[in-house]
Amino acid sequence: DTGVSQNPRHKITKRGQNVTFRCDPISEHNRLYWYRQTLGQGPEFLTYFQNEAQLEKSRLLSDRFSAERPKGSFSTLEIQRTEQGDSAMYLCASSLEGQNQPQHFGDGTRLSIL
Amino acid sequence: GEDVEQSLFLSVREGDSSVINCTYTDSSSTYLYWYKQEPGAGLQLLTYIFSNMDMKQDQRLTVLLNKKDKHLSLRIADTQTGDSAIYFCAERPGGYNKLIFGAGTRLAVHP
Repeated sequence: DTGVSQNPRHKITKRGQNVTFRCDPISEHNRLYWYRQTLGQGPEFLTYFQNEAQLEKSRLLSDRFSAERPKGSFSTLEIQRTEQGDSAMYLCASSLEGQNQPQHFGDGTRLSIL
Repeated sequence: GEDVEQSLFLSVREGDSSVINCTYTDSSSTYLYWYKQEPGAGLQLLTYIFSNMDMKQDQRLTVLLNKKDKHLSLRIADTQTGDSAIYFCAERPGGYNKLIFGAGTRLAVHP
């Protein structure tokens, strides 16, 4: 499978716990994006990387959220002290560099906060 | 501001054509996209169009872009039950790498 891979597919945790999600992009893609999708809505942009550099962050990305892409390949998204409102699908996408390069999405990690 | 709007629901008979509409607000948008999402899955890229084009056809899919009115449509010919899903329109504002999505149109295909 050469698509974008996300793990885990589902995560259930208690409020206040920390969670970490992983995304493996398509191998030759140097851009990687994180989005959040709540029920009945379209995805909302959180942040993106070009190689290992985090180039843009949304105002949605509070200080409890941190994303890394240390070697320019896979990325992790960590949420500290989770809250009920963090329950959502977290989607990762990747693309080649260039305005005409489309973003390809993984199947997401669904986070449920008890 | 950045806003993408879509009608929420469309019901069609199997074999008919489906037309899903979208309006966007950012006139600097360079590319516009259609994605498909099935239950519990991520987004599948269907097609996209550059803002200096007014039509793009790809097998059963036809995208029409009216840049003056900031209106985008996706036509699916010979709609099948496997086309039942949520369809998202997205714009890529000029100078940005993020996508702005609409809330999605749920397409239901019935016999």
